[in-house]
Amino acid sequence: AQTIHQWPVAEIKAVGSPLSLGCTIKGKSSPNLYWYWQATGGTLQQLFYSITVGQVESVVQLNLSASRPKDDQFILSTEKLLLSHSGFYLCAWLGVAETLYFGSGTRLTVL
Amino acid sequence: QQKVQQSPESLIVPEGGMASLNCTSSDRNVDYFWWYRQHSGKSPKMLMSIFSNGEKEEGRFTVHLNKASLHTSLHIRDSQPSDSALYLCAASGNNNNRIFFGDGTQLVVKP
Repeated sequence: AQTIHQWPVAEIKAVGSPLSLGCTIKGKSSPNLYWYWQATGGTLQQLFYSITVGQVESVVQLNLSASRPKDDQFILSTEKLLLSHSGFYLCAWLGVAETLYFGSGTRLTVL
Repeated sequence: QQKVQQSPESLIVPEGGMASLNCTSSDRNVDYFWWYRQHSGKSPKMLMSIFSNGEKEEGRFTVHLNKASLHTSLHIRDSQPSDSALYLCAASGNNNNRIFFGDGTQLVVKP
């Protein structure tokens, strides 16, 4: 069975500080991977997707970047956090019947 | 421009009642629809998918799809307090690299 693990579970960071969030999927070879962001009370917004190692496509510009250093790993990062980056970050993989399966998410608070 | 519109924004139903949620896409390229449920503080979990015209039933949940109008609906019969959650509609075209979510319907089931 496939499992998806996101880290950390939660972060409290200062404006202007760097950020790195991670996601690992096990049990699935060459998965399509996605990053979504959900502001508190807001819509799920797709940020990035990746179909293979080293290849990442940006969907919306939020002063964030993503990388796929390994087949099973997807990293979201920024060098300088903004207040507007606060929210719930979700990593997902594309499973059976083209369905997205989400990790447990990382709750980010920027102060 | 929001590609997936959901209504109503919120819905209160009595325990044992029927909840009906709607979703329409404004993108003629959309071919696939999913319904997700998101409990407070948790990540979304896929409830049902529908890709063909017609109806699909799984337990207390029924989804309908009209591809001509790009409209899908989710009906929950015998609603339970544990069904209280944010219900999200997702849609995608043949390119599964972009999967769009609506703003959701907040369902409250009152005991």
